[in-house]
Amino acid sequence: GQQVMQIPQYQHVQEGEDFTTYCNSSTTLSNIQWYKQRPGGHPVFLIQLVKSGEVKKQKRLTFQFGEAKKNSSLHITATQTTDVGTYFCAGPRGQAGTALIFGKGTTLSVSS
Amino acid sequence: DAGITQSPRHKVTETGTPVTLRCHQTENHRYMYWYRQDPGHGLRLIHYSYGVKDTDKGEVSDGYSVSRSKTEDFLLTLESATSSQTSVYFCAISEGAGGQPEQYFGPGTRLTVT
Repeated sequence: GQQVMQIPQYQHVQEGEDFTTYCNSSTTLSNIQWYKQRPGGHPVFLIQLVKSGEVKKQKRLTFQFGEAKKNSSLHITATQTTDVGTYFCAGPRGQAGTALIFGKGTTLSVSS
Repeated sequence: DAGITQSPRHKVTETGTPVTLRCHQTENHRYMYWYRQDPGHGLRLIHYSYGVKDTDKGEVSDGYSVSRSKTEDFLLTLESATSSQTSVYFCAISEGAGGQPEQYFGPGTRLTVT
């Protein structure tokens, strides 16, 4: 069945280091979304990518959608302690509809 | 934050008892979703609704039923709770106006089945 995979599962960095999480889909996606969940919190929408090869930036966060629309990445430059949490990618479940299938997430910890 | 509340926020119940979790929204969004979150499994879709009385199964629907009699409320029922249903349950909503709308999540319900 359809799968969305993320690596790594966990990542620990020193504050100021960069961080990247990768998302791979078993199927071509019409779009991909990224969410962040702080410890003890709920997932919060970060961004959506729609176009092949699209790159979007939010301050220190850079999101990329692959040319084949089957993979994506989130890169954080110069991590801060506020970046701690779990980052999920999600793609449309099936061919239509609004339901999403989520990756298992990458949990980022940052030490100062 | 979107106007989404979940009740109860915490619940401990015994194996074999029925449990109902409630999701309430004030956004008048068409789509509502129930997910469970377990360590190592991320967010898994249980059921979702695309309108009043219109629901469909997700990837882990066995042992769960849902109902939506009003736009603002989406109920998740565990007919006979089992220990494997110990989890954190999140409700989410989306507008569904076109394309792939983002989802807004509620605060979650932590359910423990003993």
